[in-house]
Amino acid sequence: AQKITQTQPGMFVQEKEAVTLDCTYDTSDPSYGLFWYKQPSSGEMIFLIYQGSYDQQNATEGRYSLNFQKARKSANLVISASQLGDSAMYFCAMRGYGGATNKLIFGTGTLLAVQP
Amino acid sequence: NAGVTQTPKFRILKIGQSMTLQCTQDMNHNYMYWYRQDPGMGLKLIYYSVGAGITDKGEVPNGYNVSRSTTEDFPLRLELAAPSQTSVYFCASSPEGSPLHFGNGTRLTVT
Repeated sequence: AQKITQTQPGMFVQEKEAVTLDCTYDTSDPSYGLFWYKQPSSGEMIFLIYQGSYDQQNATEGRYSLNFQKARKSANLVISASQLGDSAMYFCAMRGYGGATNKLIFGTGTLLAVQP
Repeated sequence: NAGVTQTPKFRILKIGQSMTLQCTQDMNHNYMYWYRQDPGMGLKLIYYSVGAGITDKGEVPNGYNVSRSTTEDFPLRLELAAPSQTSVYFCASSPEGSPLHFGNGTRLTVT
């Protein structure tokens, strides 16, 4: 069975500082993908970054990077130079590529507050 | 390009009533999903589909039904609404192996 764990219900960060949001996962699929989504207070789900289980390098997208440690089964999101607009809920998600499942499951989320 | 469109945006139901949440996508994606998000919680998968005519249960399917007669449409049916089904419902679609595109959600209240 697949499982995603986000152990930080909420976090504070000062504007312009970097912050790391933790995510650990468990799966029996040999091939899988890890995703991070942002949900601002307006409610929409915004895709941020993707890491494939066989990717050799950590994914980066602008100020977002994914610290992927396969042996530890962790996929932490790093936001550099935080901005006030980064205040939102952040969800880690995983998608297995075994068989015909291909379903995406989510963690419980981390609420990030960026302080001026 | 409309992406994933959900209707209605808001709905209030009485206990025992039924309704259908509509979801349509214009990106020709094979994979479609229905999630629910309870207040302060993550998204729980209700049902998903890997193509027209194929559907499967997710983590929390009880009380819901789906159909996928076309690639574009993936409606979610609530037959006997219960207060426990008060939630925000998200529909999503994707090509195989790619990030999901989400609709803007339907906020449902059952009283």
